[in-house]
Amino acid sequence: EAQVTQNPRYLITVTGKKLTVTCSQNMNHEYMSWYRQDPGLGLRQIYYSMNVEVTDKGDVPEGYKVSRKEKRNFPLILESPSPNQTSLYFCASSERTGVSYEQYFGPGTRLTVT
Amino acid sequence: AQTVTQSQPEMSVQEAETVTLSCTYDTSESDYYLFWYKQPPSRQMILVIRQEAYKQQNATENRFSVNFQKAAKSFSLKISDSQLGDAAMYFCAYRSPYTGANSKLTFGKGITLSVRP
Repeated sequence: EAQVTQNPRYLITVTGKKLTVTCSQNMNHEYMSWYRQDPGLGLRQIYYSMNVEVTDKGDVPEGYKVSRKEKRNFPLILESPSPNQTSLYFCASSERTGVSYEQYFGPGTRLTVT
Repeated sequence: AQTVTQSQPEMSVQEAETVTLSCTYDTSESDYYLFWYKQPPSRQMILVIRQEAYKQQNATENRFSVNFQKAAKSFSLKISDSQLGDAAMYFCAYRSPYTGANSKLTFGKGITLSVRP
C-alpha cells in the first residue's frame, strides 16, 4: 500500500529537549516536504527536499532542521524546541516537482512543547 | 507570492442538501493547479478534487464539483447530497507549475463544515 508514515503520532516534550519526527514514504517519490498546521493559519511549509541531499527552506523554517540522506526518509529535527513550535506537523511527498502530481500526506504528528 | 483566501471560517448544511465552499486566490502566474483537501477529525489530509488552470472545464468527482472562474480568481467547491461523513475541515490550496520553492502547496486557512442530520 502506497503511504507516508510519520512517527511519533503524538509527542509531549519540554523546552530545549532535542527531538526528531521521522517521515518515510514507500512510493519512490523525489519531492518531500514538511508542513505545520496551526488554528486560523492553515498549513505552512517548513522545509522541502527535491531529492537526496537537496533541501531548502520553506516559509517558516526557523527552529527546524531536516536531512535527506535516503530517498524514502525525510526527518524533521527540532534541536531546541520552544512552546511556539507546539503544532500539528505533516510530512508530504509527491512524484515530481512543478506539476500537478498529488502530494500524499502522512497522518500527522501532534507536538506539544511545555 | 501567491495567496489563498477562505473567508468563511464555518458553514453548516442539512443532510442531503447542497453546500458551496468559497475560495479565492491571488497569483500573477497564468498556469497553476488548484486543490480542495478534506481533513476529517482523524486529521488525515485527503485530496477531494483538483483543477488545472489551463482547463476550462470544471472538475467533478462524484458528489464534489468545482466552479473555477479564472478571471475572477475564484475556486469554489460544491458538495451535493451532503452526507454526515462530509463533516470536516476543508482547505483550498494552490500549487505553481514551477520547480523548487514554488512546488509547495499554499493553503487557505480552512473552513469547518458541519452537517446537520
